[in-house]
Amino acid sequence: RKEVEQDPGPFNVPEGATVAFNCTYSNSASQSFFWYRQDCRKEPKLLMSVYSSGNEDGRFTAQLNRASQYISLLIRDSKLSDSATYLCVVTAGGKLIFGQGTELSVKP
Amino acid sequence: DADVTQTPRNRITKTGKRIMLECSQTKGHDRMYWYRQDPGLGLQLIYYSFDVKDINKGEISDGYSVSRQAQAKFSLSLESAIPNQTALYFCATSDRSGSYNEQFFGPGTRLTVL
Repeated sequence: RKEVEQDPGPFNVPEGATVAFNCTYSNSASQSFFWYRQDCRKEPKLLMSVYSSGNEDGRFTAQLNRASQYISLLIRDSKLSDSATYLCVVTAGGKLIFGQGTELSVKP
Repeated sequence: DADVTQTPRNRITKTGKRIMLECSQTKGHDRMYWYRQDPGLGLQLIYYSFDVKDINKGEISDGYSVSRQAQAKFSLSLESAIPNQTALYFCATSDRSGSYNEQFFGPGTRLTVL
C-alpha cells in the first residue's frame, strides 16, 4: 500500500465548477500536511498547508481528518488557470511523502 | 535569478555512462533533497541532507550517490546509468526552522538513458 494515495484523475470540469480531491495517508504519526501544485512537468510549488481545523485560501479549502487519515482539497469557481496536477503531501521523519497527484483539467 | 537551480536541464546519455546532476541554492537553507519523478507516480526521495556533514538515503537510493560540497550545493551521481533511471529529477531545499517543512524545488533535470 502506498503511504499517500490519491485518485489520479483526470478530473475534467467546466469553468466555474466546484471540484474536490481526496487523499488518504497510512502513517498515523504524520504531523504536517500540504497540497502542492505541479504544472505540466514543472517543479511542484506549495499551494497551501492543511490545518486540523480546516483552512481556506480564496477559492481553495483544505480539510484534514486525523481519525480517518484523510485530507481533502476543494476548489470553488474553477478557472482555466487551475488546470494542473495537485499533489497531496504528508511529513514523516522530517521528510515529505508525496502522493502520485490528481490531474485537473478545467475547460472553457 | 532562481533560488534553486539545477544543471543540466536536459541530458541524454547511454547505458553505463557516469552522470552528475548538480543543484545550487541561494536560499541559505540547511536541508537539501533529491527526488525523481516518473510518469503517473509521485516524487520519490533518493537522498537527503540536513546539513553539510549529514547524508541520508531515501526510499530509492540504489544506483545513486550524492555529495554535499557546501551548504549551497548538493550533487547527484549515477555511477553507471541504466535505462530505468530515465526520469525527471528534482532538487529541493528547506529551512530547518521554516514552518511546516515547506520545500522549494528547482526546475528539474530531464534525464534520458538510452
